[in-house]
Amino acid sequence: KQEVTQIPAALSVPEGENLVLNCSFTDSAIYNLQWFRQDPGKGLTSLLLIQSSQREQTSGRLNASLDKSSGRSTLYIAASQPGDSATYLCAVRPESYNTDKLIFGTGTRLQVFP
Amino acid sequence: GAVVSQHPSRVICKSGTSVKIECRSLDFQATTMFWYRQFPKQSLMLMATSNEGSKATYEQGVEKDKFLINHASLTLSTLTVTSAHPEDSSFYICSATAGGFIGTDTQYFGPGTRLTVL
Repeated sequence: KQEVTQIPAALSVPEGENLVLNCSFTDSAIYNLQWFRQDPGKGLTSLLLIQSSQREQTSGRLNASLDKSSGRSTLYIAASQPGDSATYLCAVRPESYNTDKLIFGTGTRLQVFP
Repeated sequence: GAVVSQHPSRVICKSGTSVKIECRSLDFQATTMFWYRQFPKQSLMLMATSNEGSKATYEQGVEKDKFLINHASLTLSTLTVTSAHPEDSSFYICSATAGGFIGTDTQYFGPGTRLTVL
């Protein structure tokens, strides 16, 4: 059974710091991995999607890497801002299922203070 | 990008009543929709997968008779929580895909519905 874990569960940092959020998954047989942002009481915003054949994806201050064989992904946030405060979720799309369903991680709650 | 809406955004009901939540794809045809549940400070848990014109596939531990799913058209799926109880209080989120090869399609998420059962 695929399990997705995120570390740390919560993080509070001053503005300007560079951050690394970690995601690990137990079964390396995945189609892709996706990082989402969720603001309190809101839905999900997709940040980055990495296909299993890719090593990383970048969007602005965000960079996500994927090491499929070791079951790990990291989300790097450069020069953090208070507006980055949110919960960050990673999700994998397993190869073993005959659907497009996602398995979500436990999330990292990020707070960036001025 | 593709937009998915949910209605209502928030609902409060008495214990024992049924609540219907709608999920709509606004600018694309969604062959598959997914329903997730999220308890406070927890991650999203998939409840069921809904394909247009066929019965939904429920995840283990999710009661089919309690959470009725209808995917009657390519732009609308509904989740009905029957005889809701306080433990059903949660944040319900749907997502939709436009079809294509498994593993390559993008899921677009709705804004969620906050259900509170008194």
